[in-house]
Amino acid sequence: DQQVKQNSPSLSVQEGRISILNCDYTNSMFDYFLWYKKYPAEGPTFLISISSIKDKNEDGRFTVFLNKSAKHLSLHIVPSQPGDSAVYFCAAAEYGNKLVFGAGTILRVKS
Amino acid sequence: EAGVAQSPRYKIIEKRQSVAFWCNPISGHATLYWYQQILGQGPKLLIQFQNNGVVDDSQLPKDRFSAERLKGVDSTLKIQPAKLEDSAVYLCASSLDQDRGHQPQHFGDGTRLSIL
Repeated sequence: DQQVKQNSPSLSVQEGRISILNCDYTNSMFDYFLWYKKYPAEGPTFLISISSIKDKNEDGRFTVFLNKSAKHLSLHIVPSQPGDSAVYFCAAAEYGNKLVFGAGTILRVKS
Repeated sequence: EAGVAQSPRYKIIEKRQSVAFWCNPISGHATLYWYQQILGQGPKLLIQFQNNGVVDDSQLPKDRFSAERLKGVDSTLKIQPAKLEDSAVYLCASSLDQDRGHQPQHFGDGTRLSIL
């Protein structure tokens, strides 16, 4: 039973344009959501998080949006840069901080 | 700030052999996690420690996997005996005290395990 789903295995975007990565979840008890970026042969790197009491959190070029009624969150990267090319994982947690990860989306930013 | 350290980076063993991985978390992080990441999937939590106590090991295959964090700092994860399906990347992560509420987890670079 996949509680966190990233339905797009890959995404290709032109440099300078917006990248939008999507994530859906099924567990209504999740109250904390995170995005991680992963380069080959490295561990996931924490990008940005959002609590369920908010619907938006912004950090530089990265913005996460949370739609609790739709059980959907998205990560916007503006403007996209070639160095953003990586695998992006969505993760969710309920009390106790146990993270449940999606399968990841490969982002390719073309220059 | 030094990140999460893991060793070895790569390990190749034959099935039925044993293997151990080591993790040193970020200094001051009370909570330590071991994840298994199979190719094409997201990381899956195996075990979570709070200091030297186990918080969650519900997804740890206890017939072959074991983990310890004796002094509340570094940790080892062992597989004995290994099966072919254990081929994966084993990631260690740490976070500040989970009792402070949600904290982001910070990951090491992992150990890539191949079973022949």
